[in-house]
This record gives sequence, C-alpha cells and structure tokens, in this order.
Amino acid sequence: EAQVTQNPRYLITVTGKKLTVTCSQNMNHEYMSWYRQDPGLGLRQIYYSMNVEVTDKGDVPEGYKVSRKEKRNFPLILESPSPNQTSLYFCASSSNRARETQYFGPGTRLLVL
Amino acid sequence: RKEVEQDPGPFNVPEGATVAFNCTYSNSASQSFFWYRQDCRKEPKLLMSVYSSGNEDGRFTAQLNRASQYISLLIRDSKLSDSATYLCVAFSGGYNKLIFGAGTRLAVHP
Repeated sequence: EAQVTQNPRYLITVTGKKLTVTCSQNMNHEYMSWYRQDPGLGLRQIYYSMNVEVTDKGDVPEGYKVSRKEKRNFPLILESPSPNQTSLYFCASSSNRARETQYFGPGTRLLVL
Repeated sequence: RKEVEQDPGPFNVPEGATVAFNCTYSNSASQSFFWYRQDCRKEPKLLMSVYSSGNEDGRFTAQLNRASQYISLLIRDSKLSDSATYLCVAFSGGYNKLIFGAGTRLAVHP
C-alpha cells in the first residue's frame, strides 16, 4: 500500500529536550515536505526537499532542522523545543513531476511543556 | 494579508442542501489550484483540481477565475459524510510549495 508514515503520532515533551519526528514514504517520491498546522493559520511549510541531500527552508523554518540522507526518509529535528512549537505536524511527499499533488502522513501531535 | 483566504465557517447545512465555498488568492503567479479535504484530526487529502474552464466530479464542482483571483467549490446534495474542513490550495512552482488557506468547516446535519 502506498503511504507516508510518521512516528511518533503523539508526543508530550519538555522545553529543551531534543526530539526527532520520523517520516518515511514508500512511493519513491523525490519531493518531501514538512508542515505544521495551527488553528486559524492553516498548514505552513517548514522545510522541503527536492531529492536526496537537497533541502531548503519553507515559510517557518526557525527552530527546526531536517536531513535527507535517503530518498524514503525525511526526519524533522527539534534541537531545543519550545512551547510555541506545540502543533500538529504533517509530512508529505510527491513526485517532482507532480509536486502539486502531495500525499500526507497521518500527522504528529506535539505538546511542548 | 494571507496568500490564500477562506471563510472559516462553520457552514451548517441539512442533508441534501447545496453549499458553496469561496476562496481568494493574492499571488497572481500561482500556477495551479486545488481543493483538499481534511477530516477532524486527520491528514489533508486531495479532493480535486481546479481549472479555469470549471470541472466537476460527481456532486462537486470547482471553478477558477484568474482575473478575479477567486476559486470556488460547490457541493450539491450534501451528505453527512461531506462534513469536514475544505482547504483551498494554490501551488507556486517557482517556490516549490503548496500554499494553504486556513480552511472552511462544513457540518451537514440530518
């Protein structure tokens, strides 16, 4: 089954404790992206990657890091989480030929205390 | 001003009703447009693309007006299962990103 998976699905952590949210897709997609969704603001892009070892900032990259060492994986790293990073996070992927049609993972709900 | 703006709703309609959502976008360079559907606490899923000529998929009709930078979605004969948030989305190839509106919530009641 073609899918995007994220782990963990739910996470409660404390300020400053480094965490990683994993994202993996099995569709051989080149393009992957991270979004956060907050009430009234819609989805905002954090980082994206056009292919292995190619990443770039989205609209709200501050406080986040990403890496793309393999085509299927695109982890999101919060080196020192803060309460304003409490949000719902989605990973998405698409082929480069059809970047407008993105497939989303199930979401990770993060609470930073 | 947000790049993609939508009425947040909620729209509360009875089953069988026709409901229309509107959306405006500010970047005239946006190349293509979509409606995504998002169920409560779930991931967004592509509902349909939007073309200037208008396009229909069953009970759903989408329309794009580039001159007015306006997008619409019409749902006919609403079903309970249509209850969700509908996200208006613009794609900017130059910036390699989808730009999402905040969503319009629809609640269909018996």
